[in-house]
Amino acid sequence: DGGITQSPKYLFRKEGQNVTLSCEQNLNHDAMYWYRQDPGQGLRLIYYSQIVNDFQKGDIAEGYSVSREKKESFPLTVTSAQKNPTAFYLCASSSGQGASNYGYTFGSGTRLTVV
Amino acid sequence: AQSVTQLGSHVSVSEGALVLLRCNYSSSVPPYLFWYVQYPNQGLQLLLKYTSAATLVKGINGFEAEFKKSETSFHLTKPSAHMSDAAEYFCANSPSGGYQKVTFGTGTKLQVIP
Repeated sequence: DGGITQSPKYLFRKEGQNVTLSCEQNLNHDAMYWYRQDPGQGLRLIYYSQIVNDFQKGDIAEGYSVSREKKESFPLTVTSAQKNPTAFYLCASSSGQGASNYGYTFGSGTRLTVV
Repeated sequence: AQSVTQLGSHVSVSEGALVLLRCNYSSSVPPYLFWYVQYPNQGLQLLLKYTSAATLVKGINGFEAEFKKSETSFHLTKPSAHMSDAAEYFCANSPSGGYQKVTFGTGTKLQVIP
């Protein structure tokens, strides 16, 4: 079955460490997204990508970086510059013209905790 | 700018009672609107979407939503709540035309009381 796979499900980061969250999709979707979810704040967009080798900052990109070398993959790196990284991170994808018309398909999320 | 407002961060209903979750949007152009559901420690799942084809939209799990332009609302309803409906629900909005980012509301947690 097609879908989005996020790994790991739980991740622990020490102060000053960079960590990378994986997101892989086999839906042949053009666009991919990273959201951060904190209690009571809904979902906030970190980065998004419409095509391979291109990505755009979202509303809260500071302290994060991404790459899009393959259509299927959109990894997110949480750098040491992100001062409050503890959150639930969600990856999503949509078809090329589909963000408006078809909705998103979400992965099951990665819960990142700073220890 | 587009946005959505969900009224009530927590809603409690008795099993078998009507579920009503409220969402109002602000958009300068006719919007595309969505409702998603999230179960604990999981991603979001699309419940239904409005894309101007019909004002009453039926989704999965017995949910439906009605687009009311005069009230700028897109409330989610279900005639009879089931215990399995307990989850967090998000309304989302996107302006029409081409690639657009989606804006999410802050969510409403639905509790179903036996």
